[in-house]
Amino acid sequence: DTEVTQTPKHLVMGMTNKKSLKCEQHMGHRAMYWYKQKAKKPPELMFVYSYEKLSINESVPSRFSPECPNSSLLNLHLHALQPEDSALYLCASSPIQGINYGYTFGSGTRLTVV
Amino acid sequence: DQQVKQNSPSLSVQEGRISILNCDYTNSMFDYFLWYKKYPAEGPTFLISISSIKDKNEDGRFTVFLNKSAKHLSLHIVPSQPGDSAVYFCAASSTNAGKSTFGDGTTLTVKP
Repeated sequence: DTEVTQTPKHLVMGMTNKKSLKCEQHMGHRAMYWYKQKAKKPPELMFVYSYEKLSINESVPSRFSPECPNSSLLNLHLHALQPEDSALYLCASSPIQGINYGYTFGSGTRLTVV
Repeated sequence: DQQVKQNSPSLSVQEGRISILNCDYTNSMFDYFLWYKKYPAEGPTFLISISSIKDKNEDGRFTVFLNKSAKHLSLHIVPSQPGDSAVYFCAASSTNAGKSTFGDGTTLTVKP
């Protein structure tokens, strides 16, 4: 298995809703990443987990809450989002953080906040 | 402060010719550089990388060149094929930072 699987592919949520994005990989990678990508912009790093521990938080608002329950799973909990949070949310993994490997990305979750 | 820049939003080339995509960076701490390809409705796919101790890395039709003094790298695709049409992102990282920074991307169109 050489894939990163993200669910759901599309999500529409209201500003008062709570939802979660899920990311799963079975490549034995110990680093997992959340990126946010707006249209015609580069992916922007949000969080990095290394060995299931939060390693980097790029000053992301608390309405985004990451969770890494085990080495294969990464969640992003969403609460009280704003319309400007609408974007493509990409999950990625790599064998180890800090060693220079290319990331394996999932196909992303297209989030629309209404 | 954008540390990785791809100044050409788009590039169009004829099938069989060479495609050259360019990338500039400002952070002298970057020591590893990567190129990703992205098709619509898919996540980026890792293509090729180069360490700062090298100035060239080749993988089939894809070659990446690094000019550290100019803080510039380029991706050459020879020969270009219609299936290469995609958005290409340049990314850079430093070993201690443990993360990659992406450029804006260049949309490559290869015409049959």
